[in-house]
Amino acid sequence: KQEVTQIPAALSVPEGENLVLNCSFTDSAIYNLQWFRQDPGKGLTSLLLIQSSQREQTSGRLNASLDKSSGRSTLYIAASQPGDSATYLCARGGGTSYGKLTFGQGTILTVHP
Amino acid sequence: SQTIHQWPATLVQPVGSPLSLECTVEGTSNPNLYWYRQAAGRGLQLLFYSVGIGQISSEVPQNLSASRPQDRQFILSSKKLLLSDSGFYLCAWTGGLLVRANYGYTFGSGTRLTVV
Repeated sequence: KQEVTQIPAALSVPEGENLVLNCSFTDSAIYNLQWFRQDPGKGLTSLLLIQSSQREQTSGRLNASLDKSSGRSTLYIAASQPGDSATYLCARGGGTSYGKLTFGQGTILTVHP
Repeated sequence: SQTIHQWPATLVQPVGSPLSLECTVEGTSNPNLYWYRQAAGRGLQLLFYSVGIGQISSEVPQNLSASRPQDRQFILSSKKLLLSDSGFYLCAWTGGLLVRANYGYTFGSGTRLTVV
């Protein structure tokens, strides 16, 4: 069974801190790894997509890495801001024709001024 | 550009009533379509997926059904809602393997369903 685990479950930091969110998966035959952001009561917004052949992706203050051999991905957020407060979800993408996503439980991030 | 529309945004329905949630995708053809549910305090669970018109696969046994009457339309239904059907329902799309590798998955804004 494919599982995705995110640590920590919740994180509270002061504004300006750099932080790391962790995601681990049990099946190394990964197709891609996608990080999403979810604001309360809203849908999922895609942040970064890492294909299995890549090791990292960057967008602005966000950097995501992928290490298939250890079954880990990390999302690094630089210089955190209160607007970064949200739930962050990682999802492992399957390589079958229908491409099922398996999600972690998420990390609830609070950045306080 | 591709967009995904999902409605309604919120819905309060009595137990035993029918349900119909609709999702449409614009700007692409032959997408893979998905219905996910997010129950309170729980993660996202895949309910149904479809790789083409009339092709529906169910991931978990439940009180719900799905249909794909058109290429870019995906409908989630129930004949009689249960309290346990309450949750946040999300529609998503992606392309085939090559498109998915480049662009990943895109989600709709979700429907908050409360069964009372």
